[in-house]
Amino acid sequence: QKEVEQNSGPLSVPEGAIASLNCTYSDRVSQSFFWYRQYSGKSPELIMSIYSNGDKEDGRFTAQLNKASQYVSLLIRDSQPSDSATYLCAVRAVRGSARQLTFGSGTQLTVLP
Amino acid sequence: DGGITQSPKYLFRKEGQNVTLSCEQNLNHDAMYWYRQDPGQGLRLIYYSQIVNDFQKGDIAEGYSVSREKKESFPLTVTSAQKNPTAFYLCATQRGPTGELFFGEGSRLTVL
Repeated sequence: QKEVEQNSGPLSVPEGAIASLNCTYSDRVSQSFFWYRQYSGKSPELIMSIYSNGDKEDGRFTAQLNKASQYVSLLIRDSQPSDSATYLCAVRAVRGSARQLTFGSGTQLTVLP
Repeated sequence: DGGITQSPKYLFRKEGQNVTLSCEQNLNHDAMYWYRQDPGQGLRLIYYSQIVNDFQKGDIAEGYSVSREKKESFPLTVTSAQKNPTAFYLCATQRGPTGELFFGEGSRLTVL
């Protein structure tokens, strides 16, 4: 079982819709959770970080964390074609070493005009 | 401008050659990392350094070497011992002991 799992997609949504991206993790001591956006051929860009259960909103983006169920999700409201990218989930264990930051393989999102 | 600078952006190497990828940062972050990304895959950790003159192996360190002589610089050498070096290499710094990672623009290495 992979430590951090994401549906590889591709996920397609129409412009203006809500895109929902999901990530599950296996290490119960995980404490820090991050979502990165990566455009084709570019480096990852941090979108959201979340550390406690519940929702965290930033503009059109909402991160949701449920530690009991070991999943973290990213919702993108009013999706735009410019949101088309691969979204990487990253999870850090409580042990605190940077070595424990583990990335999923990413979900490719396409927003159709 | 504050940020992370990687160079070169594109590099071609013949088999058997060592190459060094540069990573420089002016964010004053202590920790720096090197990741490798292959098409359709996530990031895999090569090496990381939390302080000057100290670094640790990541999950795929074989065939790579690093140094950390200055806080601002963390170069990665891809040696001839790395059997499949063609990949996208990403340098990152970390804000605080458990904070987010920020990435440079990456270096794309192709072995001819």
